[in-house]
Amino acid sequence: DGGITQSPKYLFRKEGQNVTLSCEQNLNHDAMYWYRQDPGQGLRLIYYSQIVNDFQKGDIAEGYSVSREKKESFPLTVTSAQKNPTAFYLCASSIGKPGALAETQYFGPGTRLLVL
Amino acid sequence: AQKITQTQPGMFVQEKEAVTLDCTYDTSDPSYGLFWYKQPSSGEMIFLIYQGSYDQQNATEGRYSLNFQKARKSANLVISASQLGDSAMYFCAMRGGTGANSKLTFGKGITLSVRP
Repeated sequence: DGGITQSPKYLFRKEGQNVTLSCEQNLNHDAMYWYRQDPGQGLRLIYYSQIVNDFQKGDIAEGYSVSREKKESFPLTVTSAQKNPTAFYLCASSIGKPGALAETQYFGPGTRLLVL
Repeated sequence: AQKITQTQPGMFVQEKEAVTLDCTYDTSDPSYGLFWYKQPSSGEMIFLIYQGSYDQQNATEGRYSLNFQKARKSANLVISASQLGDSAMYFCAMRGGTGANSKLTFGKGITLSVRP
């Protein structure tokens, strides 16, 4: 079955530690996204990538880094510079046709990051 | 800049009745797309329905329909014949047509609880 997988489901970070959240898709989509969701809030875009080996900052990129070495994978690293990382992180993908207004983003099950 | 406003704090509906979830938006783009997503307690975002700004008719998908009033900049989601499984958070989102990217802007969401 095609879809998006995220791992782990729960992740604990110690102070000063970098952690990496995994996102894999087998939908053959070009575009991938990372969102952060805080309690009672909507989704805010962290980074997005429209093609392999290219990515752009979203609205809240500070303290995060990404890579896009493979079409299927878009890992997110939460660095020690992110002072308030506790949140729910959602990965999404879409076909990636530029300017396609109707293009739907499909989401993974999410990773909940907690700081110890 | 695009903005989505969802101000209903929480909605309750009796099973089998219809419910309307409000969404207003603001954009300077002449063309844009509007989306509704459902987020159950598991966390995954599920795409429900799409409406394009130039679509002549309101979108429908099964029990979901979109009451699109362009002049009022509103895109309310109507769920008919509510089911217990409809209890979830609902997010309105939009994409503008000014660039080659496909970013979505999300509202803060509305909690819907269906009573048996």
